Amino acid sequence: GAGVSQTPSNKVTEKGKYVELRCDPISGHTALYWYRQSLGQGPEFLIYFQGTGAADDSGLPNDRFFAVRPEGSVSTLKIQRTERGDSAVYLCASRTGVTGELFFGEGSRLTVL
Amino acid sequence: GESVGLHLPTLSVQEGDNSIINCAYSNSASDYFIWYKQESGKGPQFIIDIRSNMDKRQGQRVTVLLNKTVKHLSLQIAATQPGDSAVYFCAENIRGAGSYQLTFGKGTKLSVIP
Repeated sequence: GAGVSQTPSNKVTEKGKYVELRCDPISGHTALYWYRQSLGQGPEFLIYFQGTGAADDSGLPNDRFFAVRPEGSVSTLKIQRTERGDSAVYLCASRTGVTGELFFGEGSRLTVL
Repeated sequence: GESVGLHLPTLSVQEGDNSIINCAYSNSASDYFIWYKQESGKGPQFIIDIRSNMDKRQGQRVTVLLNKTVKHLSLQIAATQPGDSAVYFCAENIRGAGSYQLTFGKGTKLSVIP
């Protein structure tokens, strides 16, 4: 596809369950970012990949959150033992190595009951 | 997040008028700034960017002004249209060094009155 693709678009889970959110960046984009957006707030940085490695994971709120990008393309954000406070829209963005513009996907809306 | 973010600043503008959306950024070392538009249920969409060595940049119907002295950024939209109704976020590249790890502001909701 032409843009950043995120799946699922909506996920409802129960407290304590494990969740995986997938991001398929724009082909050829080397940098990939995960953000979290709560209602009425701006996106908050979680983690940034340059290629396969996490260049900066300082935004991950705690060790229940983990993300991988094993082949330098698709990335998966993994959340263990979900809590109600994890409910938010999780946004993925990718960027070429040339400009500063981040291209965002539509997000995955996570609801933890 | 802060609870104050639940009540977004709002701006209502008559169709055809110009809009000005303001943003105060936090880090004097930030080297890159960007405005995004977000419609309901969608991801943020790039509008325009500016580097810290510039004061002004123009795009199609949009202009970004940067005042580094007071750490202020503004977005001007000319001849505002109903399709411009959305939440607008400014973002800054705090970490520098090409990481483009953007930090977003709280957003301003623009409503265009037909």
